[in-house]
Amino acid sequence: SAVISQKPSRDICQRGTSLTIQCQVDSQVTMMFWYRQQPGQSLTLIATANQGSEATYESGFVIDKFPISRPNLTFSTLTVSNMSPEDSSIYLCSVGLAGGQEQYFGPGTRLTVT
Amino acid sequence: AQSVTQPDIHITVSEGASLELRCNYSYGATPYLFWYVQSPGQGLQLLLKYFSGDTLVQGIKGFEAEFKRSQSSFNLRKPSVHWSDAAEYFCAVAPTGTYKYIFGTGTRLKVLA
Repeated sequence: SAVISQKPSRDICQRGTSLTIQCQVDSQVTMMFWYRQQPGQSLTLIATANQGSEATYESGFVIDKFPISRPNLTFSTLTVSNMSPEDSSIYLCSVGLAGGQEQYFGPGTRLTVT
Repeated sequence: AQSVTQPDIHITVSEGASLELRCNYSYGATPYLFWYVQSPGQGLQLLLKYFSGDTLVQGIKGFEAEFKRSQSSFNLRKPSVHWSDAAEYFCAVAPTGTYKYIFGTGTRLKVLA
């Protein structure tokens, strides 16, 4: 398994601003993922962040709105840009072991946009 | 399209009672299967996984799950529930060879003292 931390744990932001969420893992991993969990709903994969290459975004998510960095094998950031109240969600990062098919999740960042 | 169904949105059981949470998936081949638990304010914790082999898998915290290919199901069970098991439980599938999880909508478990 892996120990994953996220910062901040929660934040309240004004619409139109941006927030960068950090994800730190205690060991080197190739694959990291970012998910969104909207209120009362399940998790949806936003993108896969692979070190040394551009992030791969899922349908419905675009780089301009959710830019991702992956500077090394233990760290990644997700930025939520030009926020609106619809972006209020929990954002979780995960790391993939066993070829990415076994994932371990961070504690999440609870974002509220007013 | 691939999908995961957890038909029970809420389940309430008494402490000490047995528990079964249902999960059905729609996929052409046998995917990899997972159960996660999310306690309030916490991230997701992996309870157990099925990749292949024995269809009855044991997990942490006394949970087990059984894969039934004929029913496309992967139900989670626990013989005796503890108050600390109150949480939300998510079933997830990943097509074999991929890392793209598809999550069910979750089942919220309430445990009565």
